[in-house]
Amino acid sequence: DTEVTQTPKHLVMGMTNKKSLKCEQHMGHRAMYWYKQKAKKPPELMFVYSYEKLSINESVPSRFSPECPNSSLLNLHLHALQPEDSALYLCASSQGQFDGYEQYFGPGTRLTVT
Amino acid sequence: EDQVTQSPEALRLQEGESSSLNCSYTVSGLRGLFWYRQDPGKGPEFLFTLYSAGEEKEKERLKATLTKKESFLHITAPKPEDSATYLCAVQGAGKSTFGDGTTLTVKP
Repeated sequence: DTEVTQTPKHLVMGMTNKKSLKCEQHMGHRAMYWYKQKAKKPPELMFVYSYEKLSINESVPSRFSPECPNSSLLNLHLHALQPEDSALYLCASSQGQFDGYEQYFGPGTRLTVT
Repeated sequence: EDQVTQSPEALRLQEGESSSLNCSYTVSGLRGLFWYRQDPGKGPEFLFTLYSAGEEKEKERLKATLTKKESFLHITAPKPEDSATYLCAVQGAGKSTFGDGTTLTVKP
């Protein structure tokens, strides 16, 4: 099974709201990722967790706060977002962060900030 | 800094008309080159990993090849269901860099 699940599928939030995106995998993968994707653009890396520790933060604004509670779960906490943050947010996992392991992506959360 | 350039940006084919997509890259210490397929509004779906020049991999109507500077995704006798955006990515130092993708449309 190569499934990565994400909830919710769609999210509409105001600029003062606090919400969270959730991601889960049961493949035993030790690396997990958050990407942001705008229309007709490639996925843009936000964060990488390796063995439940934050490994890469691509200078993401602090209104995005990642969390990795255990090896199967990844959260992205959202607060005080801007309309330009509206995008498809993708979670992915891989066997490891290095050594050329392919990534498996979830279906994404379509976020709209009003 | 790792760079990936895909061409063409868009490709329209008739069903059965074979063609190739190109991915040119520069990377410091290639760990792997990946091809993904992405349908509108969905997450990318893994297709292939290539590790070294000369390597080839096939899956149904798709064949991926790798040289030291570029990779090709060959599509043989495509069908309308092959219509999608095809993304190329390279992994260097701990993260993957994606190209902008090639959007393939196959007309029946």
